[in-house]
Amino acid sequence: GESVGLHLPTLSVQEGDNSIINCAYSNSASDYFIWYKQESGKGPQFIIDIRSNMDKRQGQRVTVLLNKTVKHLSLQIAATQPGDSAVYFCAEKSEGGYQKVTFGTGTKLQVIP
Amino acid sequence: NAGVTQTPKFQVLKTGQSMTLQCAQDMNHEYMSWYRQDPGMGLRLIHYSVGAGITDQGEVPNGYNVSRSTTEDFPLRLLSAAPSQTSVYFCASRRGGNTEAFFGQGTRLTVV
Repeated sequence: GESVGLHLPTLSVQEGDNSIINCAYSNSASDYFIWYKQESGKGPQFIIDIRSNMDKRQGQRVTVLLNKTVKHLSLQIAATQPGDSAVYFCAEKSEGGYQKVTFGTGTKLQVIP
Repeated sequence: NAGVTQTPKFQVLKTGQSMTLQCAQDMNHEYMSWYRQDPGMGLRLIHYSVGAGITDQGEVPNGYNVSRSTTEDFPLRLLSAAPSQTSVYFCASRRGGNTEAFFGQGTRLTVV
């Protein structure tokens, strides 16, 4: 069945360092992979997505890498700031129909000042 | 724009009670969905809708009903609350074909 999972439940990073959050997926039919950020007490917020025919996409301080060979997705955050402390979810969107979005279990990023 | 608005923010129910969680969006999005979030399990899809009058089941639909009479509103009904339905519930909306979903602030439900 479909599944989206994460390797590390908690990641602690020194302020100013780069963060890398990893995700494994199993559904090869997904056409988009997405990262969401959830701050405490709030709903998830869209960060960036990547189409399945790409291997890299950059945003503001974030880069998403997609390795379809090993079904691996990562989110890199440059110069991590205290405001980056949150739970990060990877998700995948299926093609066709409703284009269901399936979420992984989440990784908590703790930024050490 | 208010975005996605959920009410109430907190609710305590007794086992067997019924209630409706409200969700409204003002972005004219076609797609709306309900998720529940439990510790260590991410977000699981309960029900979704691709437009007014059209709804379908997600991964964990048992014990919940939905309806979509207007584009703006997508209420979630708990028919007979059970302790297993204690969770945080999120409503989300997005434009059809887009990946960016907008989430409400969530409803924290406790069933005792």
